[in-house]
Amino acid sequence: DTEVTQTPKHLVMGMTNKKSLKCEQHMGHRAMYWYKQKAKKPPELMFVYSYEKLSINESVPSRFSPECPNSSLLNLHLHALQPEDSALYLCASSQDGTGIYFGEGSWLTVV
Amino acid sequence: GENVEQHPSTLSVQEGDSAVIKCTYSDSASNYFPWYKQELGKRPQLIIDIRSNVGEKKDQRIAVTLNKTAKHFSLHITETQPEDSAVYFCAAIWTGNQFYFGTGTSLTVIP
Repeated sequence: DTEVTQTPKHLVMGMTNKKSLKCEQHMGHRAMYWYKQKAKKPPELMFVYSYEKLSINESVPSRFSPECPNSSLLNLHLHALQPEDSALYLCASSQDGTGIYFGEGSWLTVV
Repeated sequence: GENVEQHPSTLSVQEGDSAVIKCTYSDSASNYFPWYKQELGKRPQLIIDIRSNVGEKKDQRIAVTLNKTAKHFSLHITETQPEDSAVYFCAAIWTGNQFYFGTGTSLTVIP
């Protein structure tokens, strides 16, 4: 089964908080992604890790900090976020050159 | 990011009719073009994909066609059913596992 698991499913944080989103896949995929999705919009690419190395950073503000501890895990560290950062954060993985598979997402609200 | 244009943005069809969604992509996109279906409050799910060495691919009521010369690909849904109602996204991949999504089409199937 194609499965990417994300935790937490919901997160409410203040603008001075530090929190992390976590993602795990066991499909042996070598590329992992973070996307941000606002209501009625397409997923917006934030970061790409290929073979555990950061390969793409789409000019994301430094208050978002990705980390790839190993080939199965991907984290997104959050610090000093703004209310406009509230969104659905989707983790995904893919094998090189094939479709990406998304986790269920983490719904983030910044208050 | 790279550009994928998608039309129409909204589409309403009567149950049993066909629906067609079209995407165009900019130069240098790679050879892989997937389509995703996203139901309200859920993750995007891969429903069909096509590689550039194939002109058409079909899976039951859904099909995708690709015209590399014109740089466009289309999703065709036949015999539409109410459960087909969702937002559909096309995507294309660029070098470095960069997946970018089209702007989305909100499909409503009217019973």
